[in-house]
Amino acid sequence: QAVLTQPSSLSASPGASASLTCTLRSGINVGTYRIYWYQQKPGSPPQFVLRYKSDSDKQRGSGVPSRFSGSKDASANAGILLISGLQSEDEADYYCMIWHSNAWVFGGGTKLTVL
Amino acid sequence: EVQLVESGGGLIQPGGSLRLSCAASGFTVSSNHMNWVRQAPGKGLEWVSILYGDGSTSYADSVKGRFTISRDNSKNTLCLQMNSLRAEDTAVYYCVRAVDYIFHNWGQGTLVTVSS
Repeated sequence: QAVLTQPSSLSASPGASASLTCTLRSGINVGTYRIYWYQQKPGSPPQFVLRYKSDSDKQRGSGVPSRFSGSKDASANAGILLISGLQSEDEADYYCMIWHSNAWVFGGGTKLTVL
Repeated sequence: EVQLVESGGGLIQPGGSLRLSCAASGFTVSSNHMNWVRQAPGKGLEWVSILYGDGSTSYADSVKGRFTISRDNSKNTLCLQMNSLRAEDTAVYYCVRAVDYIFHNWGQGTLVTVSS
């Protein structure tokens, strides 16, 4: 079982909200991790969106609008990237990442389509 | 302005070796934590290795014992020596500067293709 699992795709309408999940493998407690989120558009390297551990330990990337926010769902053992007021420019691949067992680990990524 | 420019990619046969370089400007490589991250064609991101400012290193299990990360302080360059290459190493390799553990600056990447 992968360390981080993300749904492969998600579609949402302009103006709506999208909740991207990053589920940690059973036995790895989401509460103890900072979860990093990266956005990648076709033909470009990824860009840092935000990281979230708790409401007192969070950081958004430079220039990232406040429409992007992070949270956790402890019951699902998952990190969440919430994008509100979706815009066409938000269409991209999104990857979560954690530091686990002396290595950085990426989730498989979610392709967000805004249509 | 921070810039990272990778080079050294290309077509290599299975079992061969390749050395990637990442020329940095706008900051000092030796004072930062530097990473290599790769992305196979049409696939997701995979972290490869980190070189800490203190010189210590860490590797993904998939490349441990085959890849070596290093830096050339005189050239302000990060390197990745890749030996015993396999088809599954085919990917775009990104050089990444981490700031406060955030992958803050990314190069444009260099493509490595392992094929006979």
